[in-house]
Amino acid sequence: DQQVKQNSPSLSVQEGRISILNCDYTNSMFDYFLWYKKYPAEGPTFLISISSIKDKNEDGRFTVFLNKSAKHLSLHIVPSQPGDSAVYFCAASPTYNTDKLIFGTGTRLQVFP
Amino acid sequence: DGGITQSPKYLFRKEGQNVTLSCEQNLNHDAMYWYRQDPGQGLRLIYYSQIVNDFQKGDIAEGYSVSREKKESFPLTVTSAQKNPTAFYLCASSIRRDRDLNTEAFFGQGTRLTVV
Repeated sequence: DQQVKQNSPSLSVQEGRISILNCDYTNSMFDYFLWYKKYPAEGPTFLISISSIKDKNEDGRFTVFLNKSAKHLSLHIVPSQPGDSAVYFCAASPTYNTDKLIFGTGTRLQVFP
Repeated sequence: DGGITQSPKYLFRKEGQNVTLSCEQNLNHDAMYWYRQDPGQGLRLIYYSQIVNDFQKGDIAEGYSVSREKKESFPLTVTSAQKNPTAFYLCASSIRRDRDLNTEAFFGQGTRLTVV
């Protein structure tokens, strides 16, 4: 039972445009969400996070939006750069076990010139 | 230089053998994790530990075992009972969220295990 879902396995975006990566979750007890970026054969690196008390968090080119009623979050990258090409994972942590971090299946982003 | 180190980077094992993957961190983190990555399946949680001498099963713990005798170390043993052990294994650590609500996990570089 996949509690964190990324339904788009891949996304292709032109350099300079906006990339929007989506993530859905099923567990209403999740209260903290994170996005990670991963290159092949490397460990994921943290990008940005958001607490359930907020609906938006911004860090440079990266913005995460949270819609609690829809159990949906999205990562916006503006403008997209070729170096952004990687696999992006969303992750969530529940209130009843705050150290348990559950990841989605990932979306491969390709930014082309 | 603080960080989390996994070794070895590549590991080959004969079918039927147990193998232990190493994970060490010097970030003074209480929580440590083991994940497995397979194509199209994202990162799946195997085991995690919130404190020394304690650990909990994740979503796919069958065929694996762990220990947490020291804060810095969280080795994972892949036993012969694991049916499909070939995968990319990732270790992570973090501050416990009851100490810092807005914290993230830091990952090692991974170990690719291949059963031959």
